[in-house]
Amino acid sequence: GENVEQHPSTLSVQEGDSAVIKCTYSDSASNYFPWYKQELGKRPQLIIDIRSNVGEKKDQRIAVTLNKTAKHFSLHITETQPEDSAVYFCAASISDYKLSFGAGTTVTVRA
Amino acid sequence: DAGVIQSPRHEVTEMGQEVTLRCKPISGHNSLFWYRQTMMRGLELLIYFNNNVPIDDSGMPEDRFSAKMPNASFSTLKIQPSEPRDSAVYFCASRLFDRENSPLHFGNGTRLTVT
Repeated sequence: GENVEQHPSTLSVQEGDSAVIKCTYSDSASNYFPWYKQELGKRPQLIIDIRSNVGEKKDQRIAVTLNKTAKHFSLHITETQPEDSAVYFCAASISDYKLSFGAGTTVTVRA
Repeated sequence: DAGVIQSPRHEVTEMGQEVTLRCKPISGHNSLFWYRQTMMRGLELLIYFNNNVPIDDSGMPEDRFSAKMPNASFSTLKIQPSEPRDSAVYFCASRLFDRENSPLHFGNGTRLTVT
């Protein structure tokens, strides 16, 4: 099955700086790559997703890039704010039901 | 839409007791998932239903775990008998399964503590 690896496991950034989280996947057939944000004690919530026919997608301060050849995708958060502090999960799936999640990255934005 | 609704939010029980977790998916969604989240193992898929039919239960850890979906608007996850190692947050999630991989929506989870 699909194996998703996520790095780093923890990330501390100064407010206003950028944060980058990277994920790799094993199944070249994967074609859907969502990112979820989970605040402490709350549910994971979708923040952005990208499909394999697109190399980059942006939504305000958040962007995701995908390199299908290298089988990796990244989340970029610019101008970080304290409310960006959370655990972020990447995931990958092929055209069926099963999302494989990365282990998560705990992001801390220092004021 | 109220989103995916789970109950109870918290459950504390003694080892050996039966535990039942409940989930109401988003109306119109035809796929339902049960996940377990722990610090050690992250988010694990336990079982997946499509159109109320269990498709993949390979993630169910043991025979002590069972899940049902009697209709499109309700699912249960049951643990009998419960053990301390079952302590975790259990999330239910739903989506509309189509060709384009629609987003997965999570409920608020049930935090289970087995003493």
